[in-house]
Parts: sequence; structure tokens; C-alpha cells
Amino acid sequence: DVKVTQSSRYLVKRTGEKVFLECVQDMDHENMFWYRQDPGLGLRLIYFSYDVKMKEKGDIPEGYSVSREKKERFSLILESASTNQTSMYLCASSLAGGHPYNEQFFGPGTRLTVL
Amino acid sequence: RKEVEQDPGPFNVPEGATVAFNCTYSNSASQSFFWYRQDCRKEPKLLMSVYSSGNEDGRFTAQLNRASQYISLLIRDSKLSDSATYLCLGGGADGLTFGKGTHLIIQP
Repeated sequence: DVKVTQSSRYLVKRTGEKVFLECVQDMDHENMFWYRQDPGLGLRLIYFSYDVKMKEKGDIPEGYSVSREKKERFSLILESASTNQTSMYLCASSLAGGHPYNEQFFGPGTRLTVL
Repeated sequence: RKEVEQDPGPFNVPEGATVAFNCTYSNSASQSFFWYRQDCRKEPKLLMSVYSSGNEDGRFTAQLNRASQYISLLIRDSKLSDSATYLCLGGGADGLTFGKGTHLIIQP
């Protein structure tokens, strides 16, 4: 079974703090993704990576950065947390290649609250 | 970014009934489609892939209609435990996009 883990289930930070969210997958997947999910807005893609040290902006990259130094690990960084970044953050991974191999597998999510 | 649209619902369905909902996509070049299930405050979990020829897994059937650009999910003999939000994921070489989900409530 694919396992995607995230460093924290719940996190509370203060406005202006630098926040690191870590994601690790154990299935040697090439692709990794960071989403945020908010009521009524669905899953929105922040950044994704298709290889080590590679990154691509998703739909809402502003206020975020990412790091992928190892294939199994993809980090999301909030340089200066703001209250509008309070959300559920979901990491996912997938194999490269076409259907059906590119289904995405999700971690349990990190519920981040910025005060 | 290419759109994937779903009726948000909620769909209120009596236990034992059959329910179906669709997901439309705007990119005619889309090739990959999946259905996910998401329970409240949990992560999405893959329910099934959608193949061109259709796909059936127990009470669940997924179909692709390329001419009208939608995928469908049919649930037969619905159970209380089927209550969840169902998300579709679709796209092609330019990336995959999630719909916002359809909320299903099975009522006793």
C-alpha cells in the first residue's frame, strides 16, 4: 500500500511565523503535490513537483514556497504565515506516466490555524 | 486552467436506492479520470479509476462519455456508509484537476 505521511495533523501558528509542512511518501513516486482545501472552494493546487529539485506553480502559489531535495520528501513553506492561510493542507503523490498510473494518493492532512 | 465541474449537492437519497452523479470536463484532450471519496475531516481516498470501457467494482460503476465530456458514478443499493463527498479528478498531459465534490447523504 502507498503510504503518504505528513509531519503534523494539527498545527497552530502566529501571524508572521515561518511554517514548514513536511510530506514523505514511501512508494518511490516521481510526482508530489501540495493542496489546500477550504469549505466551498474544493482542493486547490499550490505547488507540485515531478522530480527532485523540480517544482511547478499550481493555481495558488502566492505566499508559499516548496522544497524537494529528496525524491520521497516534499516540503511546503509559508514564509510569513497570515490568517488567510488557515486551512487544511493535503499532500499527495503519484507515479509519472499515464492513466491509470497517475492516480494521486493523499496523506492525512495538516489542519493549520494561523492566529 | 482546465475546468472540472460537479454539482455540489447535497444529494439526499434513501438507503437502498440507486444514485448517480456526473462530473463534466472542459478539455477534450483529457485522458485520465478518477473518482475519490472523502469523509468529513479526512483525506480523499481513491474509489476507482475510470476507463474508456467503463469500470465496475461491486455496487459502484464508473463510466466515461467522451462525446459529452463527462464521467459518471453510479452507486447501487446505497448504504448509510456511502454518505460522503465524492470528488472527480480528470485531465491530461497538462495536468489533472479536481472537481469541488458532490455531497451525498444516505438517509435511513
